[in-house]
Amino acid sequence: SQKIEQNSEALNIQEGKTATLTCNYTNYSPAYLQWYRQDPGRGPVFLLLIRENEKEKRKERLKVTFDTTLKQSLFHITASQPADSATYLCALSNNAGNMLTFGGGTRLMVKP
Amino acid sequence: EPEVTQTPSHQVTQMGQEVILRCVPISNHLYFYWYRQILGQKVEFLVSFYNNEISEKSEIFDDQFSVERPDGSNFTLKIRSTKLEDSAMYFCASSENRDTDTQYFGPGTRLTVL
Repeated sequence: SQKIEQNSEALNIQEGKTATLTCNYTNYSPAYLQWYRQDPGRGPVFLLLIRENEKEKRKERLKVTFDTTLKQSLFHITASQPADSATYLCALSNNAGNMLTFGGGTRLMVKP
Repeated sequence: EPEVTQTPSHQVTQMGQEVILRCVPISNHLYFYWYRQILGQKVEFLVSFYNNEISEKSEIFDDQFSVERPDGSNFTLKIRSTKLEDSAMYFCASSENRDTDTQYFGPGTRLTVL
């Protein structure tokens, strides 16, 4: 069966450092991979989308890589700030307009 | 910036009662979705809707669930006879078209079934 795995343990880093979160998947050939941010009791907020034929995508302090051979995506936040503290969700889809399958999320804590 | 909105923010109901959760997707979007998240668990897909019909649904979306777009702006999820295990956050999402695939989520409705 399809599996999407994110590190369930919280990631604690110091302000100013780069946070790197991992998303691994098995039994899946996604066309798209998306990263969302979720704060407690709130809905997921879209951050970045990367397509299967793209290796890397950047947006301000965020960077996503997508390795379809390793079946892995890495999500980086550079110059992290306490306001970046949240749970980050990886989500995959087979095609545009199709359902998203989410990982369990990784909680990031950025300490001042 | 346009947003997906959902009402109510919190719904408490008795087991066996019917509930309707409401969503207003972003106005020029064509694809609509419902997801749910049980406390402490993953966000799970329920159903997608396009061109006034269901395009995809998960195993969770059984005969107790239905969706409707009653007018040009609202998108509803009905649970006919709620069970205790239906307690969760329900998120509505919408996307513009097949090319972008970015799904924008609403703030959610917390459903508590007693």
